[in-house]
Amino acid sequence: EAGVAQSPRYKIIEKRQSVAFWCNPISGHATLYWYQQILGQGPKLLIQFQNNGVVDDSQLPKDRFSAERLKGVDSTLKIQPAKLEDSAVYLCASSYRGDEQFFGPGTRLTVL
Amino acid sequence: GNSVTQMEGPVTLSEEAFLTINCTYTATGYPSLFWYVQYPGEGLQLLLKATKADDKGSNKGFEATYRKETTSFHLEKGSVQVSDSAVYFCALFSASGGSYIPTFGRGTSLIVHP
Repeated sequence: EAGVAQSPRYKIIEKRQSVAFWCNPISGHATLYWYQQILGQGPKLLIQFQNNGVVDDSQLPKDRFSAERLKGVDSTLKIQPAKLEDSAVYLCASSYRGDEQFFGPGTRLTVL
Repeated sequence: GNSVTQMEGPVTLSEEAFLTINCTYTATGYPSLFWYVQYPGEGLQLLLKATKADDKGSNKGFEATYRKETTSFHLEKGSVQVSDSAVYFCALFSASGGSYIPTFGRGTSLIVHP
Protein backbone atom coordinates (compact mmCIF):
# COMPACT_ATOMS: atom_id res chain seq x y z
CA GLU A 1 0.00 0.00 0.00
CA ALA A 2 1.42 3.37 -1.03
CA GLY A 3 1.85 5.89 1.78
CA VAL A 4 0.98 9.56 1.99
CA ALA A 5 2.88 11.50 -0.68
CA GLN A 6 3.98 15.11 -0.28
CA SER A 7 5.86 17.50 -2.52
CA PRO A 8 8.13 19.29 -2.58
CA ARG A 9 10.29 17.89 0.22
CA TYR A 10 12.17 21.16 0.67
CA LYS A 11 11.42 24.77 -0.24
CA ILE A 12 13.31 27.97 0.34
CA ILE A 13 11.61 31.30 -0.37
CA GLU A 14 11.95 34.92 0.62
CA LYS A 15 9.44 36.64 2.86
CA ARG A 16 6.38 38.02 1.11
CA GLN A 17 6.62 35.37 -1.61
CA SER A 18 3.96 32.72 -2.03
CA VAL A 19 4.37 28.95 -1.80
CA ALA A 20 2.18 25.88 -2.28
CA PHE A 21 2.44 22.36 -0.96
CA TRP A 22 0.77 19.26 -2.34
CA CYS A 23 -0.44 16.11 -0.60
CA ASN A 24 -1.83 12.87 -1.96
CA PRO A 25 -3.36 10.73 0.81
CA ILE A 26 -3.59 6.97 1.01
CA SER A 27 -6.25 5.68 -1.37
CA GLY A 28 -9.63 5.41 0.31
CA HIS A 29 -8.79 7.67 3.25
CA ALA A 30 -11.61 10.17 3.66
CA THR A 31 -9.95 12.36 6.28
CA LEU A 32 -6.95 14.55 5.46
CA TYR A 33 -4.98 16.75 7.85
CA TRP A 34 -2.42 19.53 7.42
CA TYR A 35 -0.09 20.26 10.33
CA GLN A 36 2.60 22.82 10.99
CA GLN A 37 5.58 21.55 13.00
CA ILE A 38 7.97 24.23 14.18
CA LEU A 39 11.42 23.00 15.24
CA GLY A 40 11.31 21.57 18.75
CA GLN A 41 7.52 21.53 18.96
CA GLY A 42 4.76 19.06 18.32
CA PRO A 43 2.58 19.16 15.20
CA LYS A 44 -0.09 21.84 15.27
CA LEU A 45 -3.26 21.07 13.33
CA LEU A 46 -3.95 23.71 10.68
CA ILE A 47 -6.92 22.21 8.87
CA GLN A 48 -8.83 18.93 8.73
CA PHE A 49 -10.92 17.75 5.77
CA GLN A 50 -13.55 15.04 5.68
CA ASN A 51 -13.80 14.18 1.98
CA ASN A 52 -13.82 17.69 0.44
CA GLY A 53 -15.48 19.45 3.38
CA VAL A 54 -13.66 21.30 6.16
CA VAL A 55 -14.09 19.77 9.64
CA ASP A 56 -11.80 22.10 11.57
CA ASP A 57 -9.72 25.10 10.51
CA SER A 58 -9.73 27.04 13.78
CA GLN A 59 -5.91 27.31 13.89
CA LEU A 60 -5.40 28.21 10.23
CA PRO A 61 -4.18 31.82 9.81
CA LYS A 62 -6.77 32.59 7.17
CA ASP A 63 -5.32 35.97 6.24
CA ARG A 64 -2.37 34.23 4.61
CA PHE A 65 -3.00 30.47 4.56
CA SER A 66 -5.51 28.64 2.38
CA ALA A 67 -6.16 25.00 1.64
CA GLU A 68 -8.39 23.05 -0.64
CA ARG A 69 -9.23 19.45 -1.31
CA LEU A 70 -11.02 19.29 -4.59
CA LYS A 71 -12.76 16.00 -5.43
CA GLY A 72 -11.99 14.73 -1.92
CA VAL A 73 -8.63 13.23 -2.85
CA ASP A 74 -5.41 15.24 -3.02
CA SER A 75 -4.98 18.61 -1.36
CA THR A 76 -2.94 21.78 -1.61
CA LEU A 77 -1.90 24.18 1.14
CA LYS A 78 -0.88 27.70 0.14
CA ILE A 79 0.83 30.52 1.99
CA GLN A 80 0.62 34.03 0.56
CA PRO A 81 2.49 36.11 1.55
CA ALA A 82 4.99 34.13 3.63
CA LYS A 83 6.50 35.46 6.85
CA LEU A 84 9.71 34.48 8.61
CA GLU A 85 7.72 32.71 11.34
CA ASP A 86 6.20 30.36 8.75
CA SER A 87 9.51 28.47 8.59
CA ALA A 88 8.54 24.96 9.66
CA VAL A 89 7.85 21.45 8.45
CA TYR A 90 4.39 21.08 6.94
CA LEU A 91 2.99 17.62 7.50
CA CYS A 92 0.10 15.97 5.73
CA ALA A 93 -1.68 12.98 7.22
CA SER A 94 -4.65 10.88 6.21
CA SER A 95 -7.00 8.56 8.03
CA TYR A 96 -9.59 5.96 7.08
CA ARG A 97 -11.66 5.90 10.26
CA GLY A 98 -10.40 9.08 11.87
CA ASP A 99 -8.78 7.55 14.94
CA GLU A 100 -5.44 6.55 13.41
CA GLN A 101 -3.38 8.79 11.14
CA PHE A 102 -0.72 8.00 8.58
CA PHE A 103 1.79 10.77 7.97
CA GLY A 104 3.71 11.82 4.90
CA PRO A 105 7.41 12.76 5.02
CA GLY A 106 6.67 16.47 5.27
CA THR A 107 7.80 19.60 3.42
CA ARG A 108 10.52 21.65 5.09
CA LEU A 109 9.90 25.36 4.40
CA THR A 110 12.57 27.97 5.03
CA VAL A 111 11.55 31.63 4.73
CA LEU A 112 14.47 34.05 4.41
CA GLY B 1 -9.51 23.17 25.06
CA ASN B 2 -7.66 19.88 24.91
CA SER B 3 -3.96 19.69 25.75
CA VAL B 4 -1.14 17.15 26.06
CA THR B 5 1.89 17.63 28.31
CA GLN B 6 5.04 15.57 27.90
CA MET B 7 8.20 15.51 29.96
CA GLU B 8 11.03 17.68 28.73
CA GLY B 9 13.86 16.06 26.83
CA PRO B 10 16.29 14.98 25.82
CA VAL B 11 16.18 11.73 27.73
CA THR B 12 19.61 10.11 27.56
CA LEU B 13 20.00 6.42 28.42
CA SER B 14 22.48 3.61 28.03
CA GLU B 15 21.50 0.59 25.97
CA GLU B 16 19.34 -1.93 27.91
CA ALA B 17 18.19 0.71 30.41
CA PHE B 18 14.52 1.10 31.41
CA LEU B 19 12.60 3.90 29.70
CA THR B 20 9.70 6.00 30.96
CA ILE B 21 8.39 9.05 29.11
CA ASN B 22 5.59 10.78 30.98
CA CYS B 23 2.47 12.06 29.27
CA THR B 24 -0.58 13.68 30.84
CA TYR B 25 -3.59 15.14 29.12
CA THR B 26 -6.58 17.40 29.55
CA ALA B 27 -9.67 16.65 27.50
CA THR B 28 -13.41 16.56 27.66
CA GLY B 29 -15.13 13.24 27.16
CA TYR B 30 -13.24 10.06 26.44
CA PRO B 31 -10.40 10.62 23.98
CA SER B 32 -8.31 7.98 22.29
CA LEU B 33 -4.63 8.16 23.20
CA PHE B 34 -1.62 7.56 20.98
CA TRP B 35 2.15 7.48 20.93
CA TYR B 36 3.86 8.40 17.67
CA VAL B 37 7.59 8.11 16.93
CA GLN B 38 9.65 10.23 14.55
CA TYR B 39 13.04 8.86 13.51
CA PRO B 40 15.61 11.34 12.15
CA GLY B 41 14.66 12.60 8.70
CA GLU B 42 11.39 10.66 8.62
CA GLY B 43 7.69 11.34 9.14
CA LEU B 44 5.69 10.39 12.21
CA GLN B 45 4.76 6.73 12.64
CA LEU B 46 2.13 5.31 14.94
CA LEU B 47 3.79 3.37 17.77
CA LEU B 48 0.80 2.32 19.86
CA LYS B 49 -2.68 3.37 20.90
CA ALA B 50 -5.40 2.87 23.51
CA THR B 51 -9.02 3.79 23.01
CA LYS B 52 -10.57 3.43 26.48
CA ALA B 53 -9.69 3.54 30.15
CA ASP B 54 -7.38 0.77 31.44
CA ASP B 55 -6.51 -0.35 27.90
CA LYS B 56 -2.85 -1.13 27.37
CA GLY B 57 -1.29 -0.40 24.01
CA SER B 58 1.90 -2.25 23.06
CA ASN B 59 4.27 -2.54 20.12
CA LYS B 60 7.96 -3.33 19.60
CA GLY B 61 8.50 -3.75 23.34
CA PHE B 62 6.91 -0.39 24.18
CA GLU B 63 3.82 -0.19 26.39
CA ALA B 64 1.45 2.48 27.66
CA THR B 65 -1.69 2.19 29.81
CA TYR B 66 -4.66 4.57 29.54
CA ARG B 67 -5.14 5.85 33.12
CA LYS B 68 -8.28 7.96 33.30
CA GLU B 69 -8.03 8.58 37.05
CA THR B 70 -4.63 10.25 36.62
CA THR B 71 -5.25 11.43 33.01
CA SER B 72 -1.96 9.84 31.98
CA PHE B 73 -0.54 7.65 29.22
CA HIS B 74 3.10 7.09 30.13
CA LEU B 75 5.33 5.28 27.63
CA GLU B 76 7.60 2.50 28.95
CA LYS B 77 10.12 0.02 27.59
CA GLY B 78 12.04 -2.47 29.66
CA SER B 79 15.28 -2.46 27.67
CA VAL B 80 16.03 0.25 25.11
CA GLN B 81 18.25 -0.14 22.08
CA VAL B 82 20.34 2.37 20.14
CA SER B 83 17.81 2.06 17.31
CA ASP B 84 15.09 3.47 19.62
CA SER B 85 16.74 6.89 19.44
CA ALA B 86 14.02 9.18 18.08
CA VAL B 87 11.47 11.80 19.09
CA TYR B 88 8.32 10.45 20.75
CA PHE B 89 4.99 12.31 20.60
CA CYS B 90 1.99 11.70 22.82
CA ALA B 91 -1.34 12.60 21.22
CA LEU B 92 -5.05 12.46 21.89
CA PHE B 93 -7.91 12.32 19.45
CA SER B 94 -11.14 13.74 20.77
CA ALA B 95 -14.43 12.84 19.09
CA SER B 96 -16.39 15.85 17.88
CA GLY B 97 -19.42 15.75 15.64
CA GLY B 98 -18.53 12.48 13.98
CA SER B 99 -14.86 13.37 13.47
CA TYR B 100 -11.72 13.05 15.58
CA ILE B 101 -9.83 16.24 16.42
CA PRO B 102 -6.14 15.59 17.17
CA THR B 103 -3.92 17.31 19.76
CA PHE B 104 -0.19 16.54 20.00
CA GLY B 105 2.36 17.09 22.75
CA ARG B 106 5.67 18.86 22.13
CA GLY B 107 7.63 15.64 21.77
CA THR B 108 10.39 14.06 23.87
CA SER B 109 13.74 13.29 22.32
CA LEU B 110 15.31 9.96 23.34
CA ILE B 111 19.03 9.35 22.88
CA VAL B 112 20.34 5.85 23.56
CA HIS B 113 24.10 5.31 23.85
CA PRO B 114 25.80 1.93 23.22
